Amino acid sequence: QKEVEQDPGPLSVPEGAIVSLNCTYSNSAFQYFMWYRQYSRKGPELLMYTYSSGNKEDGRFTAQVDKSSKYISLFIRDSQPSDSATYLCAMSVNNYGQNFVFGPGTRLSVLP
Amino acid sequence: DVKVTQSSRYLVKRTGEKVFLECVQDMDHENMFWYRQDPGLGLRLIYFSYDVKMKEKGDIPEGYSVSREKKERFSLILESASTNQTSMYLCATIDRETQYFGPGTRLLVL
Repeated sequence: QKEVEQDPGPLSVPEGAIVSLNCTYSNSAFQYFMWYRQYSRKGPELLMYTYSSGNKEDGRFTAQVDKSSKYISLFIRDSQPSDSATYLCAMSVNNYGQNFVFGPGTRLSVLP
Repeated sequence: DVKVTQSSRYLVKRTGEKVFLECVQDMDHENMFWYRQDPGLGLRLIYFSYDVKMKEKGDIPEGYSVSREKKERFSLILESASTNQTSMYLCATIDRETQYFGPGTRLLVL
């Protein structure tokens, strides 16, 4: 079993839809959870960062962490064509970069 | 804004060639990282450096070496390129909990 699992997609939704992206993990020691967005031919950029359990909201984006289920989610409300990208989850026991574990990414297309 | 730049966006090399990938950051960060990104596998850490002349192996260091002579510059070296090193290479730095990535170098080894 991989340490972090993520459905690779592709996921296609119409503009305005609510998008749900998810990752599951096996290491219960993970405390730091991140979502990165990666546009085609670009490096990943940090979208959301959460420590431990709970929700975090930033504009149209909401990150949820359920440590009891070892499950994290990213919700995108009112999705836009500009949200079309690959979304990577990442997690870590501590916040030292060398310990980040990344999911393979989910490719999202938002159709106008 | 943190800026991480990589010397090339695309490279085509022949099997057996020595390949240098360079990364420069402008924020005086201590830690720098080299990852490779392959479809279905996500990002995998090759090497990282926590200071000048200091380096540590990541998860997949075989076939690679690194050099950090100056704080702002971290180089990845493929001593003898092989076709299985065809990949997207990403350099990153870290500021507290946030990793900042460069644009990536897409390397094709023929």
